[in-house]
Amino acid sequence: GAGVSQSPSNKVTEKGKDVELRCDPISGHTALYWYRQSLGQGLEFLIYFQGNSAPDKSGLPSDRFSAERTGGSVSTLTIQRTQQEDSAVYLCASSLWGQYTGELFFGEGSRLTVL
Amino acid sequence: AQSVAQPEDQVNVAEGNPLTVKCTYSVSGNPYLFWYVQYPNRGLQFLLKYITGDNLVKGSYGFEAEFNKSQTSFHLKKPSALVSDSALYFCAVRDRNNNDMRFGAGTRLTVKP
Repeated sequence: GAGVSQSPSNKVTEKGKDVELRCDPISGHTALYWYRQSLGQGLEFLIYFQGNSAPDKSGLPSDRFSAERTGGSVSTLTIQRTQQEDSAVYLCASSLWGQYTGELFFGEGSRLTVL
Repeated sequence: AQSVAQPEDQVNVAEGNPLTVKCTYSVSGNPYLFWYVQYPNRGLQFLLKYITGDNLVKGSYGFEAEFNKSQTSFHLKKPSALVSDSALYFCAVRDRNNNDMRFGAGTRLTVKP
């Protein structure tokens, strides 16, 4: 596609339920990032995938959070047993792998509300 | 790991006046520095970046930023602010040794008519 696509754009769930958020990066971009933006907060780094290398999971806040990337393209961020503090906008971004000078291209985000 | 600080949560300026949004960074080596803008209910958009060369970089919408190595700063500037510049601005830094990009907390710019 022309840009980074995220779905769903909005998700309301009940506390304790699992949710999956999807990111489809720009074609040809092999680096993919997930960030979390809470209300009034900056961007919190969660995880990034770089080609076929092991992902950097250092930003995941707890073991309830996981992410995978299939076929080097689409990524899914999964939050198990959601808590109210998980409510935030989850942003996905992609860039050309190895092009450290390149900017990130962001999707519109998935707004998660945990009741 | 690299980090970024944006010391001001909020910046208010009058339309037509110059604006500055501050950013300082910390990396182990030479940095790649970026500014992004986020309009309401939208994702982040790239504004400009410093990679190497001239310390003053120019970007979209008349914005510019000055890299100052001694002060480890990369402040965003515009000579004459517009009401439409009102948005949330993020500074980001990438270490030259890896692909990880870290963002500041953001600064909300409000330009009043």
